Amino acid sequence: AQKVTQAQTEISVVEKEDVTLDCVYETRDTTYYLFWYKQPPSGELVFLIRRNSFDEQNEISGRYSWNFQKSTSSFNFTITASQVVDSAVYFCALKGEYGNKLVFGAGTILRVKS
Amino acid sequence: DTGVSQDPRHKITKRGQNVTFRCDPISEHNRLYWYRQTLGQGPEFLTYFQNEAQLEKSRLLSDRFSAERPKGSFSTLEIQRTEQGDSAMYLCASSLIRSRASDNTGELFFGEGSRLTVL
Repeated sequence: AQKVTQAQTEISVVEKEDVTLDCVYETRDTTYYLFWYKQPPSGELVFLIRRNSFDEQNEISGRYSWNFQKSTSSFNFTITASQVVDSAVYFCALKGEYGNKLVFGAGTILRVKS
Repeated sequence: DTGVSQDPRHKITKRGQNVTFRCDPISEHNRLYWYRQTLGQGPEFLTYFQNEAQLEKSRLLSDRFSAERPKGSFSTLEIQRTEQGDSAMYLCASSLIRSRASDNTGELFFGEGSRLTVL
């Protein structure tokens, strides 16, 4: 079975602070794919990043960075210098090599205050 | 707008009534998914179509739920004899599956969802 755990239910930060969202996953597949999605108040899930299990290089995109560690089954997401517009629910998701669907975590609510 | 569109955005109904949701995927996408999201939870898989064929259904999809994608384009999700426990956001997503497996990146493109409230 595949499972994604986002232990942080809600995080509040003040604008310009850095914040890290944790994601831990479980899978028996040797090849798998990890994703982060953002869900603003409008409701639409917006794709942020995909990472393959065979590519452990961390990635930086503007203020966003992702830390993939196979040894701890974690795929954490950091926002540097947070902004009020970053306020949303963030979901981590997993897809197995032969699976046809994404399995989502429960999400982390991020509130960025000005 | 060339994204995934869903209709209606909000539906309030009385227990026991039937409701139908429509999803129009991104036009070239051959795969279409339905997910359900309740308050404070992540999306849960309900079912998916490859073109017009429904290939997988979750145990969450009881006999009261039926989904169709008759021409491999738009899809409908019908809930019969609604119950209060059906209150949720119903999300539709689409993707393009290519014949070469290594070309498939796996990400889904979601619509804004249809929120159902059963009174």
